[in-house]
Amino acid sequence: DAKTTQPPSMDCAEGRAANLPCNHSTISGNEYVYWYRQIHSQGPQYIIHGLKNNETNEMASLIITEDRKSSTLILPHATLRDTAVYYCIAATYSGAGSYQLTFGKGTKLSVIP
Amino acid sequence: SAVISQKPSRDICQRGTSLTIQCQVDSQVTMMFWYRQQPGQSLTLIATANQGSEATYESGFVIDKFPISRPNLTFSTLTVSNMSPEDSSIYLCSVGPSGLAGRETQYFGPGTRLLVL
Repeated sequence: DAKTTQPPSMDCAEGRAANLPCNHSTISGNEYVYWYRQIHSQGPQYIIHGLKNNETNEMASLIITEDRKSSTLILPHATLRDTAVYYCIAATYSGAGSYQLTFGKGTKLSVIP
Repeated sequence: SAVISQKPSRDICQRGTSLTIQCQVDSQVTMMFWYRQQPGQSLTLIATANQGSEATYESGFVIDKFPISRPNLTFSTLTVSNMSPEDSSIYLCSVGPSGLAGRETQYFGPGTRLLVL
C-alpha cells in the first residue's frame, strides 16, 4: 500500500465545511483512496472511497487530484458528532476479495461549537 | 453495509491466561480481518481469515499467539494466548467484500477492549 500523509489535527467551526487533506504521492494506478473515521475508540466507520473520479455520498465528498497524488475529504456541514480521527488510506483491491487497509495516524478533527 | 457484532465487548484478564474473541456477521462475507489497536495508537492488521483456509498473518504476529478460526462465512474467532499486559488493546474484526460489484469496502465491528493485569 502507498503511504499517506495527513495533518495530525484540525479544527472546524460547527456548520462550516470541513476540508481534510491527504497526500499519497506514491499511489499506484490500481490503488483506491479510502476514508474512514473513528469516534472515540469505536470501530472505524467507512465514509467514502474512490479511484480517480470525484465521489459524493450522503456523508461526504471526495475530491481526488488529476495526478492522484492527493485528495480532500469534504464534510459539507460539520456537526459536533463529526469530531473524530479521520484516516486516509490507499489500498489495492485485487478483485478476488484480497486487499487490506493500512492505517496511518490520521487527522484528529475537532468541531468547535 | 454488514452488521458486525463482537463478544465480549470488554474484559479484564490475568496475565498468562487466554481469551477468545468472537466476531459474527449478519451476512455471508468472503474475507474477515482482525486488527489490534494499542492505547493511543492506530490500527494494525493482525491477520486475514478466509473461510476454509489457514489465516494469513502479518509480520510480527504468529499463529501460536493469535490463533484464528473461520468455520463458516459469517463467523470467526481470535484467541489471544498467554496474555501479558502488552496485549492490552482494542481488538477489532472487519469484513471484506461480498464479491458483488461496488461492495469493495471493509466494515468494522465495535471492538473488544481487553485489559491484562
